[in-house]
Amino acid sequence: EVQLVDSGGGLVQPGGSLRLSCAASGFTVSSNYMTWVRQAPGKGLEWVSVIYSGGNTYYADSVKGRFTISRDNSKNTLYLQMNSLRAEDTAVYYCARVSGSSGWHIDNWGQGTLVTVSS
Amino acid sequence: DIQMTQSPSSVSASVGDRVTITCRASQGISNWLAWYQQKPGKAPKLLIYGASSLQSGVPSRFSGSGSGTDFTLTISSLQPEDFATYYCQQGNSFPALTFGGGTKVEIK
Repeated sequence: EVQLVDSGGGLVQPGGSLRLSCAASGFTVSSNYMTWVRQAPGKGLEWVSVIYSGGNTYYADSVKGRFTISRDNSKNTLYLQMNSLRAEDTAVYYCARVSGSSGWHIDNWGQGTLVTVSS
Repeated sequence: DIQMTQSPSSVSASVGDRVTITCRASQGISNWLAWYQQKPGKAPKLLIYGASSLQSGVPSRFSGSGSGTDFTLTISSLQPEDFATYYCQQGNSFPALTFGGGTKVEIK
């Protein structure tokens, strides 16, 4: 069974840093496209970043230069390093697996971890 | 950037009703559209991909249609567990996945 478990969220001051983790089971992270999607309180879904199976990484303009997506193949875990955090980064962050079957879409999601940026 | 516009933003319906939600892309996306259901405090769940393919385990009362710029999600007979928020998502401009603003299906 495919499972994604998000962790690492919490309260951080503006300008601070946080690293989110996503432990995967039931499949191999490095063989798949993996992504982070966030949802601000009471708002819709916003794509944040993706890492391809080959290692290429891409970011939304809103986080480019501040966030870094990576993975640890030995731990089958995805990460999101978030630096220079702003109040507008406050959201639930979901890691997810991307499928390219019949168009790019997300077929499995983590449960989410809440990041709150506030002084 | 491709923008996704959903309508309505909310709909009130009764158990047994037929509910239709529409999603419009700002430019053609072929059939590279997915639909998700999200309940409060939970992660989204994939319902439909490729505009009309039903994800495994999703009840057949859910169906999707459309291509190009206009898409529809239909719930043929609304059940109590279907009250939730629904999002469309385009996959044409991957790696940037764009979501619609969401449609909340509420109890009438």
